[in-house]
Amino acid sequence: DIQMTQSPSSLSASVGDRVTITCRASQSISPFLNWYQQPPGKAPKLLIYTVSTLQSGVPSRFSGSGSGTDFTLTISSLQPEDVGTYYCQQGYITLAWTFGQGTKVEIK
Amino acid sequence: EMQLLESGGGLVQPGESLRLSCATSGFTFTNYAMNWVRQAPGKGLEWVSGISGSAVNTFYADSVQGRFIISRDNSRNTLHLQMNSLRAEDTALYYCAKANDYWSFDLWGRGTQVTVSS
Repeated sequence: DIQMTQSPSSLSASVGDRVTITCRASQSISPFLNWYQQPPGKAPKLLIYTVSTLQSGVPSRFSGSGSGTDFTLTISSLQPEDVGTYYCQQGYITLAWTFGQGTKVEIK
Repeated sequence: EMQLLESGGGLVQPGESLRLSCATSGFTFTNYAMNWVRQAPGKGLEWVSGISGSAVNTFYADSVQGRFIISRDNSRNTLHLQMNSLRAEDTALYYCAKANDYWSFDLWGRGTQVTVSS
């Protein structure tokens, strides 16, 4: 299985801050890297797919980048509604997908 | 509007069985692979099982291989997960999730809770 490792495991930032979350895969998976947001007590929601493509309806303050094994999710200006846990997921191996362990984002 | 609605969760004893269902609407069901993803209490997301649009191909995580069976009824736009020989470590919120053309999960249900305890 492809292992996905996220960092940090949690972070606390102020409204308006730039926030960066990283995800590393145990082997090259480009371009099949996706990001999800899970608000507290709710189902996950797709934010970004194939590294950098914004899902319809997702605010433009979210962006993704990276290649090979190293990827980044950036929130350009953190908002109160962005609180939750963020997960990366590899779609490289069809129907044997794995997630990162999650990054919990809180407002300072 | 596209929707997924899970049902069938509950409290069972170790070794027992449970069948989950996911009713879908708002999209052409047969065109997409469908999946089950679970989340144990306080833990992260774990992909459990997936099935191709035609139902020809099925896939399982190692943790459930040989115990769970995924299926779909394309005439009723419904996904199922037959869970046998349940263990305490299967306790989780089970989500139904639609895969898009880029191998990501673009639509999720609200989940159904499965608790395995004696």
